[in-house]
Amino acid sequence: DGGITQSPKYLFRKEGQNVTLSCEQNLNHDAMYWYRQDPGQGLRLIYYSQIVNDFQKGDIAEGYSVSREKKESFPLTVTSAQKNPTAFYLCASSIYGKLFFGSGTQLSVL
Amino acid sequence: AQSVSQHNHHVILSEAASLELGCNYSYGGTVNLFWYVQYPGQHLQLLLKYFSGDPLVKGIKGFEAEFIKSKFSFNLRKPSVQWSDTAEYFCAVNLGSARQLTFGSGTQLTVLP
Repeated sequence: DGGITQSPKYLFRKEGQNVTLSCEQNLNHDAMYWYRQDPGQGLRLIYYSQIVNDFQKGDIAEGYSVSREKKESFPLTVTSAQKNPTAFYLCASSIYGKLFFGSGTQLSVL
Repeated sequence: AQSVSQHNHHVILSEAASLELGCNYSYGGTVNLFWYVQYPGQHLQLLLKYFSGDPLVKGIKGFEAEFIKSKFSFNLRKPSVQWSDTAEYFCAVNLGSARQLTFGSGTQLTVLP
């Protein structure tokens, strides 16, 4: 079945450690997105990519990095520079403006 | 597993008509509820959210939603739509004790001038 797969579902990070969240889609969508949700707040856009080998910063890109080497994959790295990484991370893709969402990754700091 | 249903995939209205978009979820515990909007060519925006308290929630741009716990519903309403309300609307549910956010499949609203 086509869809967006995020892994892992739960991830724990030690202080000062970089971690990478995976997002894979087999929908043949050009555009992909990473959002973050904190308790009591709505989603905030971290990074997005409209096409392979190209991506743009969203509203809260500091402390994060992404790559888009393949159409199917848009991994998000949470670097040690991100001082408050504990959050729910949601990946999405879109075609003709319609969004499709992954199931998310909950990242917690040990 | 929890799920969110938006039964209307595409709604077409004339300007000044009233709007109600359905959202139902399948979970019996504490939930946090959201409506997001994506205007053509733009990113997701939060319209409104419900965490607790008054089940009638007012959001931006004249939208409101009512949480009816007995019906597991969180329908979005607007008394009089405008052409600029043309967009995709997503309902989302965040279970109270978990962090996972689950989205509905979205409803495309087209408002005819």
